[in-house]
Amino acid sequence: GEDVEQSLFLSVREGDSSVINCTYTDSSSTYLYWYKQEPGAGLQLLTYIFSNMDMKQDQRLTVLLNKKDKHLSLRIADTQTGDSAIYFCAPPAGKSTFGDGTTLTVKP
Amino acid sequence: KAGVTQTPRYLIKTRGQQVTLSCSPISGHRSVSWYQQTPGQGLQFLFEYFSETQRNKGNFPGRFSGRQFSNSRSEMNVSTLELGDSALYLCASSEGLAGGDTDTQYFGPGTRLTVL
Repeated sequence: GEDVEQSLFLSVREGDSSVINCTYTDSSSTYLYWYKQEPGAGLQLLTYIFSNMDMKQDQRLTVLLNKKDKHLSLRIADTQTGDSAIYFCAPPAGKSTFGDGTTLTVKP
Repeated sequence: KAGVTQTPRYLIKTRGQQVTLSCSPISGHRSVSWYQQTPGQGLQFLFEYFSETQRNKGNFPGRFSGRQFSNSRSEMNVSTLELGDSALYLCASSEGLAGGDTDTQYFGPGTRLTVL
């Protein structure tokens, strides 16, 4: 199954850019996803990238995919306090564990 | 379309009891996956059901079981509860496309289980 690894914590100042990194093991997944989890809530699908793309931009979010290095990143531009949450990179359904995610803290 | 719903949202049980959690997927979705989330272990995959059959399984003891009904609703059961079973249990639904390589999951709000 798929395994993903992310840094546990990231702290940025409001207005700065945030970059959350993820490495994964299984290169067969056609899509890779980013989810956001606010305290006490379920996971909200943020964005995804198709495996034949290098980059996808969606408003303040930019996803970069390096298939050779099996590295995925999520950049949040102009980070706001409302972006404080846990962010998970994930494979498609039924492909194992999401891991601990990255806890993003945005300081005013 | 209505999202994924889970009931109950909060539950308190004591050690040794059993518990059943319920998940109703998005209309038209045939796959339901269950996850356990704890502060120390992250988000761990329990199992996936598709068309009333368990299709994938994580690394959890047999006390954790599930089932899926013909309307795709799913239940998860934990028997002989232990303190360490205290967690947020999340279910996710997806279309359940063959192969799963393009299957987007949508999550419910979770059930917070506390074992005393």
